[in-house]
Amino acid sequence: DGGITQSPKYLFRKEGQNVTLSCEQNLNHDAMYWYRQDPGQGLRLIYYSQIVNDFQKGDIAEGYSVSREKKESFPLTVTSAQKNPTAFYLCASSIRGVDEQFFGPGTRLTVL
Amino acid sequence: GQNIDQPTEMTATEGAIVQINCTYQTSGFNGLFWYQQHAGEAPTFLSYNVLDGLEEKGRFSSFLSRSKGYSYLLLKELQMKDSASYLCAVGGLDNNNDMRFGAGTRLTVKP
Repeated sequence: DGGITQSPKYLFRKEGQNVTLSCEQNLNHDAMYWYRQDPGQGLRLIYYSQIVNDFQKGDIAEGYSVSREKKESFPLTVTSAQKNPTAFYLCASSIRGVDEQFFGPGTRLTVL
Repeated sequence: GQNIDQPTEMTATEGAIVQINCTYQTSGFNGLFWYQQHAGEAPTFLSYNVLDGLEEKGRFSSFLSRSKGYSYLLLKELQMKDSASYLCAVGGLDNNNDMRFGAGTRLTVKP
């Protein structure tokens, strides 16, 4: 079955630690995205990538980093520089930029 | 600018019709999308408009006016399971090849 997966579903980390969230898709999509969602709010774009080995900052990229070494994978690292990292993180992919996006199930990160 | 505005909350009765509006300010535009998101879950795609007019898909319809920077999502024959957040998203804002989401409208359907 084709789809987009994120792991883990729930993640707990101590303050000051870097943490990497996984996102994998087997839909053969070129574009991939990372969003952050805080309680009762919409999605805010962190980073996006239109093609392998290339990515652009979204609205709230500070304190985050990404890589796109393979078409299928777009991991997000939440660094210790991110002041308030506790949130719901959603990864999405689309055939190309500005197209229907398919979302993974999300990772709920809690920093203690 | 990239402001995408939609009402925060709406309430409607089962079996009724509800219209959720979305306005956006943009210097570039490649399409408007509506997504449904149930609490604690990922968003799922509902509709896509790139040309002016109405797109109908079962109980859901979406309208776009590019000149006015305006869209609405129309839900007919409301069911309890339609209680969710509805997210308006605009692609290509400021001529970037990305997607920006509004804050979402939380719809509550009451018996």
